[in-house]
Amino acid sequence: AQSVTQPDIHITVSEGASLELRCNYSYGATPYLFWYVQSPGQGLQLLLKYFSGDTLVQGIKGFEAEFKRSQSSFNLRKPSVHWSDAAEYFCAVASLVSGGYNKLIFGAGTRLAVHP
Amino acid sequence: GAGVSQSPRYKVAKRGQDVALRCDPISGHVSLFWYQQALGQGPEFLTYFQNEAQLDKSGLPSDRFFAERPEGSVSTLKIQRTQQEDSAVYLCASSPQQETQYFGPGTRLLVL
Repeated sequence: AQSVTQPDIHITVSEGASLELRCNYSYGATPYLFWYVQSPGQGLQLLLKYFSGDTLVQGIKGFEAEFKRSQSSFNLRKPSVHWSDAAEYFCAVASLVSGGYNKLIFGAGTRLAVHP
Repeated sequence: GAGVSQSPRYKVAKRGQDVALRCDPISGHVSLFWYQQALGQGPEFLTYFQNEAQLDKSGLPSDRFFAERPEGSVSTLKIQRTQQEDSAVYLCASSPQQETQYFGPGTRLLVL
């Protein structure tokens, strides 16, 4: 069965420091992978997505992620974190259903705290 | 342009009450999804519509949960005889065909 694992429940970094959030997936075929961010009381905002092609994907707000098939990973990175990046981050894989649509399978999320 | 909207944003229900949660997808989006997000968890799939057809309801936790999208745009998720375990955030997402899903702000349901 498809699954997504985010090993880090909670991460704290200092403002200006670099960030890497880990994501591992289990999926039989070539996955469609996503990172979403959720601020308190808000819905999910798409940061970036990987469908095919270049394995290094650029997203909004200065985020990037790298798809590594050999490691079944899709880690999210940012070179310099801003206080406004404090939020919960979700990695997701799209499970292609036989009816021709994708439903998302999410990890449990990583809560990011940023110290001034 | 306008994104996905959901109403109400917050709902408090007494155990046993029926509730109805509304989703207005992005105009023209064929696909509509409902997800349930329990506290401290990632969202979990509930059901999927393609236009007005409900093609997948495999994630609905019980027969107390019912969803509809009669005209292929607005969708309503109804929960009958609410239980405390139904307390969660209910997220709606829409997408054009099989592409990226765009999420609404969610409805936070608290069942007392």
